[in-house]
Amino acid sequence: DAKTTQPNSMESNEEEPVHLPCNHSTISGTDYIHWYRQLPSQGPEYVIHGLTSNVNNRMASLAIAEDRKSSTLILHRATLRDAAVYYCIRTGAGSYQLTFGKGTKLSVIP
Amino acid sequence: GAVVSQHPSRVICKSGTSVKIECRSLDFQATTMFWYRQFPKQSLMLMATSNEGSKATYEQGVEKDKFLINHASLTLSTLTVTSAHPEDSSFYICSARDKENTEAFFGQGTRLTVV
Repeated sequence: DAKTTQPNSMESNEEEPVHLPCNHSTISGTDYIHWYRQLPSQGPEYVIHGLTSNVNNRMASLAIAEDRKSSTLILHRATLRDAAVYYCIRTGAGSYQLTFGKGTKLSVIP
Repeated sequence: GAVVSQHPSRVICKSGTSVKIECRSLDFQATTMFWYRQFPKQSLMLMATSNEGSKATYEQGVEKDKFLINHASLTLSTLTVTSAHPEDSSFYICSARDKENTEAFFGQGTRLTVV
């Protein structure tokens, strides 16, 4: 049970921003939100993670709702290399075990 | 970011033989390593968790005598698929984390084909 809900697929035009939603309505106060992505025939790649505040890094931004029941991964400018399956995962405090759901398959249109 | 190297990337073996897959953390000490299996068009399924110097913890339904995991050092874990059968053909992926980080880093995966 991945305990998060994501759309099965999304499309974006190249060089446009992409907002990938994730619902985690049963999240507890100490659960982290992690995002990983997986390109075809490769292992997953860490994207970003957060607890309460919005987070930014080189790859993306993570916007966490005030009630923490949902979050959005933001790719500021989609490229063809961003086409992948994106997984939103929550982990409990002190737990480093990642449970993968089906994720969102992002297609980027040239 | 930290690098996890998995070897081999592809392997074909005959039914009934054993295959060993290595997972190395190259620039950090991995106190915990995880092994996953991914069938085509499906998500990653956790097989087992291993901590350095202790026995691995297997997920329900994963046979510990068939999938032997050894985590003898802080930089190396191995998964041996014993007496492989065609239904064991899958994409095997390891991940590792160290004490300092909450995120895990993944190997590039091993495509196992049993013929």
